[in-house]
Amino acid sequence: TQLLEQSPQFLSIQEGENLTVYCNSSSVFSSLQWYRQEPGEGPVLLVTVVTGGEVKKLKRLTFQFGDARKDSSLHITAAQPGDTGLYLCAGDASNFGNEKLTFGTGTRLTIIP
Amino acid sequence: DADVTQTPRNRITKTGKRIMLECSQTKGHDRMYWYRQDPGLGLRLIYYSFDVKDINKGEISDGYSVSRQAQAKFSLSLESAIPNQTALYFCATSELANTGELFFGEGSRLTVL
Repeated sequence: TQLLEQSPQFLSIQEGENLTVYCNSSSVFSSLQWYRQEPGEGPVLLVTVVTGGEVKKLKRLTFQFGDARKDSSLHITAAQPGDTGLYLCAGDASNFGNEKLTFGTGTRLTIIP
Repeated sequence: DADVTQTPRNRITKTGKRIMLECSQTKGHDRMYWYRQDPGLGLRLIYYSFDVKDINKGEISDGYSVSRQAQAKFSLSLESAIPNQTALYFCATSELANTGELFFGEGSRLTVL
């Protein structure tokens, strides 16, 4: 079973601060996805990274896939209350015979106005 | 209207009762999934189906069964509910396995007393 550990599990910061969330595994993934989940809703895809070392930007959010494709990070610049939510990474090992996503343990982010 | 609809949204039941959670989708996707979400554990896969004639066990299928009645419908059953099945359950669909985005329903919160 592939495991994806996210850190920190909980993070509460002031509006305007920067933060980084990590997603780590000992397994290699062919791609990695990041989802955000708001209360009472299902997760919604933010981004998919597919190439080792890839960096993708989505407004104030920067996503990076590790060179070895075992880890990823999400950096938020100048956090806003609308960024509050549960952030989940999910690894796809379908190129290695596992045709389903493995989800991380989640980071619950709270931005204080 | 939501593309992936789950019913019921909330259910409280007693130990030993049979429970069915239903999922229907209007996205036209072949692939459907049932996940369970518990705090600190992320999303764990219960069962998945790649088409109407295909049913596969996920990592935590014990105590659950599923039925794929049509391309658009995928139901999850708990034959004899127990308290540790208290959780938030999500149905999801996808078009592709490799790097395919998952589209989630709004979740069904189940409490087993």
